[in-house]
Amino acid sequence: AQSVAQPEDQVKVAEGNPLTVKCTYSVSGNPYLFWYVQYPNRGLQFLLKYITGDNLVKGSYGFEAEFNKSQTSFHLKKPSALVSDSALYFCALSEGWSNTGKLIFGQGTTLQVKP
Amino acid sequence: GAVVSQHPSRVICKSGTSVKIECRSLDFQATTMFWYRQFPKQSLMLMATSNEGSKATYEQGVEKDKFLINHASLTLSTLTVTSAHPEDSSFYICSASIPGPSTGGYTFGSGTRLTVV
Repeated sequence: AQSVAQPEDQVKVAEGNPLTVKCTYSVSGNPYLFWYVQYPNRGLQFLLKYITGDNLVKGSYGFEAEFNKSQTSFHLKKPSALVSDSALYFCALSEGWSNTGKLIFGQGTTLQVKP
Repeated sequence: GAVVSQHPSRVICKSGTSVKIECRSLDFQATTMFWYRQFPKQSLMLMATSNEGSKATYEQGVEKDKFLINHASLTLSTLTVTSAHPEDSSFYICSASIPGPSTGGYTFGSGTRLTVV
């Protein structure tokens, strides 16, 4: 069965430092992976996705993610964190690239960026 | 583009009453929409998948008669929480699949905070 895991409930970094939010997945076929960010009492905002092609995916707001098939990981990264990046981050896996498949979400990771 | 508008953003209702949450696609046709429930500081739990013009497919453990989903048009899906109880208090989020080659594949509403008193 497909699954997504975010092993860290919370990540704390200082402003200006690089950040990494971890995500691992399990899928029988080709994975279609997404990162979303959620601010308090708001819906989810799309950051980036991996469908195929380059393993390094660049997304919104300076975020990027690296797809690693051998490690079944899709970690979210940013070279220099901002206080405004503090939010809840979700990794998600789609069951199929038809846009009608369900999204399976990880548990979420709270990112806290301190000034 | 590909915006989903969800209303209301917050609602407080009395126990035993019903509440309707609307999700509208503003600039595209949403053939498939999803309804999620989110508890504080937790992940999104998929409740059901709805396809325009057909009955919703509910996830295991979700009460069909309690959470009524209607997707009568390509731009509107509604979730009605019937005979609401305090344990139904939660954050509900709708999502729509974006047709064709797109940036994100899915777009999300801004969510509805339901409080049952």
